[in-house]
Amino acid sequence: GESVGLHLPTLSVQEGDNSIINCAYSNSASDYFIWYKQESGKGPQFIIDIRSNMDKRQGQRVTVLLNKTVKHLSLQIAATQPGDSAVYFCAENIRGGKLIFGQGTELSVKP
Amino acid sequence: GAGVSQSPSNKVTEKGKDVELRCDPISGHTALYWYRQSLGQGLEFLIYFQGNSAPDKSGLPSDRFSAERTGGSVSTLTIQRTQQEDSAVYLCASSVGLAGRYNEQFFGPGTRLTVL
Repeated sequence: GESVGLHLPTLSVQEGDNSIINCAYSNSASDYFIWYKQESGKGPQFIIDIRSNMDKRQGQRVTVLLNKTVKHLSLQIAATQPGDSAVYFCAENIRGGKLIFGQGTELSVKP
Repeated sequence: GAGVSQSPSNKVTEKGKDVELRCDPISGHTALYWYRQSLGQGLEFLIYFQGNSAPDKSGLPSDRFSAERTGGSVSTLTIQRTQQEDSAVYLCASSVGLAGRYNEQFFGPGTRLTVL
């Protein structure tokens, strides 16, 4: 299978601060990218997506930035809350619905 | 409405035994996907089904793994002669319409498989 298998990096932030989670993707032909949030014992939950013809997309408290030149995605969470604590994965669409997931980042929010 | 459901939620088996994992996608979703997630790692694509088209099996790690989807709805992932390295969480997802770009995949809670 195709996945990056590394120990999860972690990010610890104070409640109310902004969080930035980064992801490097692998395929320059990917045209669709998604961020997922995964809480312990649950399946991934969609947060926000972006198409390759965009550089930025905003949702509620979240913003995704795409830099195709260096194949980099970032997820920004404004005013981080304890409920945001989870593992965050980026995913790229290679073809036909097959998603390739990044390694994930564990976000820990301190109250 | 009901989301993607998977059963069992946990499965403990002995090395060498066969296991079947079940996925019920969201009603009306034509695409169904299986992923595997090992401890502390990202998701690894296994296989996906789209309507009546031949499934994309490119992610299956060995011929011990197979999956079928009956009637365009429920899917079963079968692992034969399980090995300890098969221990992982197996996640199913479904999406509306054509599998591919811009269709959100909704994930089930997963089945945690432990091979002793």
